[in-house]
Amino acid sequence: DGGITQSPKYLFRKEGQNVTLSCEQNLNHDAMYWYRQDPGQGLRLIYYSQIVNDFQKGDIAEGYSVSREKKESFPLTVTSAQKNPTAFYLCASTLGQGGTEAFFGQGTRLTVV
Amino acid sequence: QKEVEQDPGPLSVPEGAIVSLNCTYSNSAFQYFMWYRQYSRKGPELLMYTYSSGNKEDGRFTAQVDKSSKYISLFIRDSQPSDSATYLCAMSPFSGGYNKLIFGAGTRLAVHP
Repeated sequence: DGGITQSPKYLFRKEGQNVTLSCEQNLNHDAMYWYRQDPGQGLRLIYYSQIVNDFQKGDIAEGYSVSREKKESFPLTVTSAQKNPTAFYLCASTLGQGGTEAFFGQGTRLTVV
Repeated sequence: QKEVEQDPGPLSVPEGAIVSLNCTYSNSAFQYFMWYRQYSRKGPELLMYTYSSGNKEDGRFTAQVDKSSKYISLFIRDSQPSDSATYLCAMSPFSGGYNKLIFGAGTRLAVHP
């Protein structure tokens, strides 16, 4: 079955640590995205990548970093510079660079302990 | 003012009721309109996708777009307890390149037996 796989489902981070969230897709989609979801707020775009080896900052990129070395993979690193990292993180992909029908993974819940 | 406004609810209805979910927006450039359903602790799944104005029906779901009023709606007929979820509207302008999706905050719906 084609889809987007995010791992882990739950992640705990200590203060001052960097953590990496995994996102893999086998839909052969060109573009991939990372969103952050907080209670009572819409999805906010962190980073997006339209093609391999290229990515762009979204609305709330500070404290995050990404890479896109393979078409299938778009990992997100939450660095210690992110002051309020506890949130639900969603990875998505779209078929074309201008595609609008986004398909989402099941999310990673990150908690700072 | 947010680009997309959506009443967060919660909206509680009895089984079998007709549900109306709505979003308003301010950007007249939006051309693509989507509704996503998100169950608790899961990723959003695409329910309905429409381009420009008009209606689109899929089973018990009807999406309506009124561009003159900058208002979109999702109707759910014969609502079921399994429809209990958060419903997110999303929209995007059209251009030759990257089209950024803007999400509403989501409306929480509870259908009780």
